[in-house]
Formats: sequence, structure tokens, C-alpha cells
Amino acid sequence: DIQMTQSPSTLSASVGDRVTITCRASQSISNWLAWYQQKPGKAPKLLIYKASSLESGVPSRFSGSGSGTEFTLTISSLQPDDFATYYCQQYNSYPYTFGQGTELEIK
Amino acid sequence: EVQLVESGGGLVKPGGSLRLSCAASGFTFSYYSMNWVRQAPGKGLEWVSFIRSSISSIYYADSVKGRFTISRDNAKNSLYLQMNSLRAEDTAVYYCARGSRDGTTYYYYMDVWGKGTTVTVSS
Repeated sequence: DIQMTQSPSTLSASVGDRVTITCRASQSISNWLAWYQQKPGKAPKLLIYKASSLESGVPSRFSGSGSGTEFTLTISSLQPDDFATYYCQQYNSYPYTFGQGTELEIK
Repeated sequence: EVQLVESGGGLVKPGGSLRLSCAASGFTFSYYSMNWVRQAPGKGLEWVSFIRSSISSIYYADSVKGRFTISRDNAKNSLYLQMNSLRAEDTAVYYCARGSRDGTTYYYYMDVWGKGTTVTVSS
């Protein structure tokens, strides 16, 4: 199985900050990587697919990059609505696997 | 509006069975692959199972293989998860999620999610 490791596990930031979350795969997954946002008690929401493609309706302050084994999710200017938990997920092969999550907190 | 609505969750004793359903609307269900994903209380997301639109391919997580069965009825726009031999560690919110692909590849990301249904396995 492909292991997905996110860092950091928790990130404290302020409104307006630029933040980056990293996701590493235990083997190459090409660019078959998605990023999701989840708020407490809610379903995950797709933000990015194929490593860097922005899902329709998602604000352009979200961007993704990377290929192979190293990927990043960047939020260019944090907004109050962005404080949530973020997960990466590989869909290169089964079983699909998620990172452990990064909780983005208000500083 | 594209929508997925899960149902069938509840409290069940260890060793028991439960069948989850997911009703799809607002899109052509038969064109899409589907997934089940779960989240244990206070934990991260865990993918459970996948079924292709034509039912030609089915995959399971090792943690549920041999106990859970995914199926679909394209005429009823519905996805199912039959869960047998349930264990305490199966306690979670279960989400159904639509699988979409970029172009004609066989790589599917999950773009639409239901609100989830809660399964509690406890004596």
C-alpha cells in the first residue's frame, strides 16, 4: 500500500497569511493526488485534483503543485472560512490512501 | 443539484450486519464510479471500497475485505454497502463519494460527497 504523510499535523496561522501543507507519498504516484478540506461535522470537500487542477467553484487562493512523491497545497491569503482540516489522497492505485490530515488553526 | 444521501446507519452489536444505501440525484449515476469512505470518531479518512460504473471492477480496503460487499443498482440510482461480521473498529461515519476522472483515464478522484451516515458497533 502507498503511505501518505502530511506535514505539519497542526498549523497555526493568521488571516492573510500564506500557508503551505506538504504531502509525501511512499512511492511515485505521478500526479494522481487530490486535496480535500473538511470542517467539523461536515463531509470532505474536494479542492484540488490531479495535483494542481482547481475544482470548479474553489477560490483561486488555493493551489496545488508537485508530482512523483512530493506535493504541496498552498493557500495564498488565509480567509476566516479556511480554518479546517486538510487531507491529501492518492488515487494512483488501490487501496486509495489518505494522509493523516493537517489541522489549520487560528493563531 | 448534484446530491448523494446516505442512509441505513445505526447501532449494531459486534458480529452483526448492516446495509448502507446511498441515493444519487442530479447526475447520470450510471456514468460514474462510486466509493465508500469512512471516518472513525476523532480520526482521519479511510477509503473503504470502489465500484466502477459498469460494475466491471470492485476494490476493497484490506480492513473490510471478506466482510463488506459493495454493489449498485443503476436503474435505482443507488449504491449499497453490505457490512457483515461487524467489529467495534468499524464504528465510523460512512460517506459515499462519486468518482470522477480527467478525460479517459482510469484514475478517479472523489468530487461529490454525501453528508454521511453513522454506524456504531457496540454491545
